[in-house]
Amino acid sequence: NAGVTQTPKFQVLKTGQSMTLQCAQDMNHNSMYWYRQDPGMGLRLIYYSASEGTTDKGEVPNGYNVSRLNKREFSLRLESAAPSQTSVYFCASSDPGQGNYNEQFFGPGTRLTVL
Amino acid sequence: QKEVEQDPGPLSVPEGAIVSLNCTYSNSAFQYFMWYRQYSRKGPELLMYTYSSGNKEDGRFTAQVDKSSKYISLFIRDSQPSDSATYLCAMSSFNSGYSTLTFGKGTMLLVSP
Repeated sequence: NAGVTQTPKFQVLKTGQSMTLQCAQDMNHNSMYWYRQDPGMGLRLIYYSASEGTTDKGEVPNGYNVSRLNKREFSLRLESAAPSQTSVYFCASSDPGQGNYNEQFFGPGTRLTVL
Repeated sequence: QKEVEQDPGPLSVPEGAIVSLNCTYSNSAFQYFMWYRQYSRKGPELLMYTYSSGNKEDGRFTAQVDKSSKYISLFIRDSQPSDSATYLCAMSSFNSGYSTLTFGKGTMLLVSP
């Protein structure tokens, strides 16, 4: 039982390049999330998927797109990377119907640097 | 004003000290209150959650919620170097039947031997 896995762990991009961050969970959770974490800013929600087939914007969606490929996988795409997107990206999953407090399980993160 | 305010620290204490971590919030719709612990270069993990005002204890950890003051706390007794981490408060609310979390910025705790 691996929980939430993310690839890659590290990435360096040049401004304008594109890339996709991959996330998968094996807990049969309905909901998945993408956050970014920056010093002094905490965790900020980029996009989330309440269930397979749906996606919604979070607090900071500009410059990103997402795809809920199936119940297990949720990818985050940067079409034209900018230095402001240098951050640590976390994927999370949860099953909000279980207990209502919406415990989210996080992956290990992807450290992205945009030069 | 952000919905959730948390002092980023760092908070440095000697081993064995009692630690108090706090968050304030402005949204009365928050229903569940959580504390996540994040070790360096790792993802956050849920430590404790509470629903109503009052205290909840789990070993050396006590979570306290005061809804009237919109204030939550996490107390750590007999702190250990292994408690050194960033602690994030998080609060859940429901929108259109769906629950989302709002996180504080996190407080970095350093416990020295």
